[in-house]
Amino acid sequence: DADVTQTPRNRITKTGKRIMLECSQTKGHDRMYWYRQDPGLGLRLIYYSFDVKDINKGEISDGYSVSRQAQAKFSLSLESAIPNQTALYFCATSLSGQKRYNEQFFGPGTRLTVL
Amino acid sequence: AQSVTQLGSHVSVSEGALVLLRCNYSSSVPPYLFWYVQYPNQGLQLLLKYTTGATLVKGINGFEAEFKKSETSFHLTKPSAHMSNAAEYFCAVGLTSYQKVTFGTGTKLQVIP
Repeated sequence: DADVTQTPRNRITKTGKRIMLECSQTKGHDRMYWYRQDPGLGLRLIYYSFDVKDINKGEISDGYSVSRQAQAKFSLSLESAIPNQTALYFCATSLSGQKRYNEQFFGPGTRLTVL
Repeated sequence: AQSVTQLGSHVSVSEGALVLLRCNYSSSVPPYLFWYVQYPNQGLQLLLKYTTGATLVKGINGFEAEFKKSETSFHLTKPSAHMSNAAEYFCAVGLTSYQKVTFGTGTKLQVIP
């Protein structure tokens, strides 16, 4: 089945370490997104990419960077992790085009803990 | 800019009772509206969406939602709750297919046997 996968699923790291979270999709979608989920705050958009050469900051991009290596791959990096970046991170994809309405498909999430 | 408000971070219902999860949106143009469900340790999956046309939208697992422009609401309902419906539900709003979607803060549904 066409899918959105995230690696790793769980990660514990220490303050100051560099971390990369990876997302791959076999849906053939051109748009990809990174969100973080915190209890009571819902999903907040970190970065999004409407195609390989188009990357945009979301509402909480400070402390994060991304790389769109190919249409199917979108990685999120924490250059120097800090404890308040402890959260559940989701990758999502969507397909552009008329009448697509930006319906998004989510990966299973990565639980990141920064000690 | 658009925004979405979900009233009630936690809702408890008895098995077999009506489920009503509330969502109000703010938008300067006709919005696209979505409800997503998140089961424990999983990603979000789409329950239903409103784009244009019929204001009563039916989704998976017996859920439906009605777009009420005058009330700027898109409440999610299900006539009879089942234990398997226990999850977190997110309302989301988008303006055009070229812009990002904004998610609400979520409502956790507890179903009591």
